[in-house]
Amino acid sequence: EDQVTQSPEALRLQEGESSSLNCSYTVSGLRGLFWYRQDPGKGPEFLFTLYSAGEEKEKERLKATLTKKESFLHITAPKPEDSATYLCAVQARGDYKLSFGAGTTVTVRA
Amino acid sequence: EAGVTQFPSHSVIEKGQTVTLRCDPISGHDNLYWYRRVMGKEIKFLLHFVKESKQDESGMPNNRFLAERTGGTYSTLKVQPAELEDSGVYFCASSRYQLVETQYFGPGTRLLVL
Repeated sequence: EDQVTQSPEALRLQEGESSSLNCSYTVSGLRGLFWYRQDPGKGPEFLFTLYSAGEEKEKERLKATLTKKESFLHITAPKPEDSATYLCAVQARGDYKLSFGAGTTVTVRA
Repeated sequence: EAGVTQFPSHSVIEKGQTVTLRCDPISGHDNLYWYRRVMGKEIKFLLHFVKESKQDESGMPNNRFLAERTGGTYSTLKVQPAELEDSGVYFCASSRYQLVETQYFGPGTRLLVL
């Protein structure tokens, strides 16, 4: 069974204080690794898809990277509006469903 | 382009009652998924439709859950009879058939069974 572990569970940052979130995964052949952002009371909002080790994707203050065992979501100079729960999910080759981690809740203080 | 919509946004029912959740996917998306998050746990897959056919229902917890997708458009998920452990947030997602990549999620239905 696919396993996704995210750390830390919660992260409190000062505005401008860069940090990284970790997503470790075990999957029988990776088709894709997905990062989503979820705000309270809303559904997951798509951020990135990564397909192979060494791949990197960027969007504003967020940068996602992928190795064969883990992915990192780097938040550079975060702002309060970056406060959210960040979810990591994997999709195995030959499969359609996503297997999610429990998420990392990021709080950015002004 | 309208996103995935779900109805109702919240539902509070008593144990033993029936509840039906509805999901309208993004127009043109043949793939439709149901997921669930119960308290304190991660989001878990329930089932997957391709058009009107069930492709994978391996995540359905038991036969009290029935999902349908009429005409390959909207989908319903019925829970009958509801139990306390069915409480949680039910998410629907959709994706294009030829590009099985990004799944776009709806806002979810928050179900509370008392």
